[in-house]
Amino acid sequence: DAGVIQSPRHEVTEMGQEVTLRCKPISGHDYLFWYRQTMMRGLELLIYFNNNVPIDDSGMPEDRFSAKMPNASFSTLKIQPSEPRDSAVYFCASRRTGTQETQYFGPGTRLLVL
Amino acid sequence: SQQGEEDPQALSIQEGENATMNCSYKTSINNLQWYRQNSGRGLVHLILIRSNEREKHSGRLRVTLDTSKKSSSLLITASRAADTASYFCAIQGAQKLVFGQGTRLTINP
Repeated sequence: DAGVIQSPRHEVTEMGQEVTLRCKPISGHDYLFWYRQTMMRGLELLIYFNNNVPIDDSGMPEDRFSAKMPNASFSTLKIQPSEPRDSAVYFCASRRTGTQETQYFGPGTRLLVL
Repeated sequence: SQQGEEDPQALSIQEGENATMNCSYKTSINNLQWYRQNSGRGLVHLILIRSNEREKHSGRLRVTLDTSKKSSSLLITASRAADTASYFCAIQGAQKLVFGQGTRLTINP
């Protein structure tokens, strides 16, 4: 299996622009998680899906952030408009019900908003 | 907060020595997990210990859990340069994992 795939790996954009991060979970996994990692706040859970349905989005910072999962093999995290404080590494992770709750992380997208 | 707190924040040892990292938490847990993150990479699951377990081994890793003290420790024996990474404990609630701030481990050759 290829593991969790994220794209792009690096993104540099200007303040005010729309940013879309993409994630392909491991095939057969029914949970998908989006995290944000910064030096100041560590690793924060933004939102997670189960069977493509958003279950908990309480970690989404504000209305500028939105996430979708149109099917079992694809999810997006969108920031519109982006701000410099959104600069971080964004990780996607997935897991399968019935396993030992182990999450499998993608390589992350390093976002820099100028 | 359910977040685990790792101690120390940073640890530097010589290759071949043992490394011990600690994690404390405040709420009841289903399980506690340890992850490793190499610089610039995603997190990799190392080991999971359930709330009814006290000790678990995996290769050179040994994890203990003391639910009465709400603490866990991760021991890496006979450290190698490749063990240089950040190590995170993660508290498993109903469906979510809550990660601590991590311990940065440096193994000096």
